[in-house]
Amino acid sequence: RKEVEQDPGPFNVPEGATVAFNCTYSNSASQSFFWYRQDCRKEPKLLMSVYSSGNEDGRFTAQLNRASQYISLLIRDSKLSDSATYLCVVGDYKLSFGAGTTVTVRA
Amino acid sequence: ETGVTQSPTHLIKTRGQQVTLRCSSQSGHNTVSWYQQALGQGPQFIFQYYREEENGRGNFPPRFSGLQFPNYSSELNVNALELDDSALYLCASSRGLAGGGGASTDTQYFGPGTRLTVL
Repeated sequence: RKEVEQDPGPFNVPEGATVAFNCTYSNSASQSFFWYRQDCRKEPKLLMSVYSSGNEDGRFTAQLNRASQYISLLIRDSKLSDSATYLCVVGDYKLSFGAGTTVTVRA
Repeated sequence: ETGVTQSPTHLIKTRGQQVTLRCSSQSGHNTVSWYQQALGQGPQFIFQYYREEENGRGNFPPRFSGLQFPNYSSELNVNALELDDSALYLCASSRGLAGGGGASTDTQYFGPGTRLTVL
């Protein structure tokens, strides 16, 4: 079983729509959780850390459910610039990445 | 920009050759982690260096080795290249936990990567 599993998508949404997706992780002892964004052929960039209480950063909301071992990301009012692959990341000193969820926002 | 740099940006090698990839960490960071990202996959952890010592290793064979220098820059060496080694190699720098054994939960910032093609 993979350490982090994500729905690969793609999610194809119109501008202004809300899109949500999640991932599951296998190691219940994991301490740190993140969403990274990766544009085509570029390096991953931190989008946001994920906290147990849930957290928001502008149009992005992340939730963590430790009991069920899943993490979610919701994007409100989608912009064309949100088109990217979103990587669910779990870990401590080493990061375990999911394979990514591709989101395409169309005009 | 993260301040993490990698060289070279692209590299083409043939099977059986050896390669060295380089990474300069962000100022103030003492920990460098290396990841391999194959096409269509998420990055896979290779190993981490903290204060010039290896601090953990993923499921990669011994022909993947590394170094960290006193200025915290790092090298990844791969011997006896195989076709499956073709990938984007990413390094990430971070701050190790103060007083700890090097395990770092601080945010990791990635460099632009080196794209290695093995023919």
